[in-house]
Amino acid sequence: DAGVIQSPRHEVTEMGQEVTLRCKPISGHDYLFWYRQTMMRGLELLIYFNNNVPIDDSGMPEDRFSAKMPNASFSTLKIQPSEPRDSAVYFCASSGTGLAGEETQYFGPGTRLLVL
Amino acid sequence: SQKIEQNSEALNIQEGKTATLTCNYTNYSPAYLQWYRQDPGRGPVFLLLIRENEKEKRKERLKVTFDTTLKQSLFHITASQPADSATYLCALDTTGTASKLTFGTGTRLQVTL
Repeated sequence: DAGVIQSPRHEVTEMGQEVTLRCKPISGHDYLFWYRQTMMRGLELLIYFNNNVPIDDSGMPEDRFSAKMPNASFSTLKIQPSEPRDSAVYFCASSGTGLAGEETQYFGPGTRLLVL
Repeated sequence: SQKIEQNSEALNIQEGKTATLTCNYTNYSPAYLQWYRQDPGRGPVFLLLIRENEKEKRKERLKVTFDTTLKQSLFHITASQPADSATYLCALDTTGTASKLTFGTGTRLQVTL
C-alpha cells in the first residue's frame, strides 16, 4: 500500500480564498483523522470519521472549516474563506479496526498551507 | 484541564549514550499511551504503544515505561545514533480505540558524533 496520500503537498493562497485539502486513507482503514500542526499549538485533532461518518468535530476551529468523507477512500478538508492564521501543516491520518496495529495511526506527508 | 507535557527544550546527547525523553500528563486516565517519531517535513510515524496495565515495553533499542500513579511515561533510546535525531511525540487516548489521540508538543532529540 502507498500509505496515506495527501494533496496538494504545498498550497499558497491569498486571504479570503477557498482552500481544499484532499486525503486518501490506507485501503481497509475505517478511521480517518484530520490534524493541524503549528509551532505554537503542536498537533491538534480537528475532526475524525468512522466508516465515513463524522464522529467528533469539536476540534474544528470555526465555521470556516468543513470536512467531508463521501466514500471510504476519499476525504476533503475545506477552509472558506481562508485567513493568515490558518497557515499550518495539515495532516491526514488513518487507522483500522481489527487489523494489525489497529490502535495506531498512519499519517500522510501533510499539506503545508500558507495564507498570505 | 487536561494537559500533556513534554520537554520543549531540545535534548542533545552523544552517540552511543542512552536518550531518555519524558511525557507527563494531568487529568487523564489513558487506556494506553503511544510514542511517535517525526522528521522535518514529514508526518509522525508510530513507534511503540503501551497499555495502562503494562509497566514496560521494548522494541529493539527502544524502551517505554508507563507509570499511571506518577502519570508519566519515559521513552528510552539505547546506543543512540545520529539517525535517531528527530522530534518524538507522545500521545494519549482514553477511549481504548484508535480514536481521538491527544498529542504532546514533542521533544527534539539531537544525537551528535
